[in-house]
Amino acid sequence: AQSVTQLDSQVPVFEEAPVELRCNYSSSVSVYLFWYVQYPNQGLQLLLKYLSGSTLVKGINGFEAEFNKSQTSFHLRKPSVHISDTAEYFCAVTGNTGNQFYFGTGTSLTVIP
Amino acid sequence: DAGVTQSPTHLIKTRGQQVTLRCSPKSGHDTVSWYQQALGQGPQFIFQYYEEEERQRGNFPDRFSGHQFPNYSSELNVNALLLGDSALYLCASSLLGTVGWEEQYFGPGTRLTVT
Repeated sequence: AQSVTQLDSQVPVFEEAPVELRCNYSSSVSVYLFWYVQYPNQGLQLLLKYLSGSTLVKGINGFEAEFNKSQTSFHLRKPSVHISDTAEYFCAVTGNTGNQFYFGTGTSLTVIP
Repeated sequence: DAGVTQSPTHLIKTRGQQVTLRCSPKSGHDTVSWYQQALGQGPQFIFQYYEEEERQRGNFPDRFSGHQFPNYSSELNVNALLLGDSALYLCASSLLGTVGWEEQYFGPGTRLTVT
C-alpha cells in the first residue's frame, strides 16, 4: 500500500520569496509521484510528475521538485512566488500499476503582497 | 481538444435519495477514475473503470456504484445518501502509457450537498 504525508497544512510566504512544500511518501513498490494544484472551486491541474530518470523534475509555472528515494520525499519548490500561486497543492503517489492515486491532505499556499 | 467534463456542476439532495453524476473523459482517453474530496481533504479514490469494467475499488461502500459506456464516458451513482456524502466529486481520465496510467486529467468536479 502507498500513502502520502504533506507535512505543512498551511504555508504563508511573501511575494517574490522562495517556497518549499514538503511531501513524504511510503510505498513497498516502485512509485510514480505527482504534484497537483487546485484553485478555488476548480478541479486539479497537474504541475509536474516523476516517472523515472532525472530526479529533478521541472513543471509548469516555474515549479520544480526533487525525488529523493533514500528520504522518500518529493518536495515542491519555486524560487520566487507570485500572488497567482495562492492555491491548494496536493502531492500524489501511484504504484507501478498506476491505477489508483493516493493523495495527501494538501498544503494551502498563501502568497502575501 | 476538450478536457474532462462533468455534470452537473452543483447538486442538492436529501438524505436517503439517490444521485447520478456524469463524466466525459478527455479526448483519446479510455480510463475513468472517480474521487471524493471532502472539504479540507485530499481526494479519496472511489473506483476506476477501463473497458467498461470496474478495475479497482477504494474503501467505499456498495452504495457507490458506477458504469462506463462504450464511448468511455462514465456515471457515478450513490444510493441512500448520507449527510457525510456531501463532497466534491472529481472525475479523472487517463490513458494506459508505457509505465501504466501515468497521468490523470481531472474535471472541475460536481459539488454534492446532502441535506
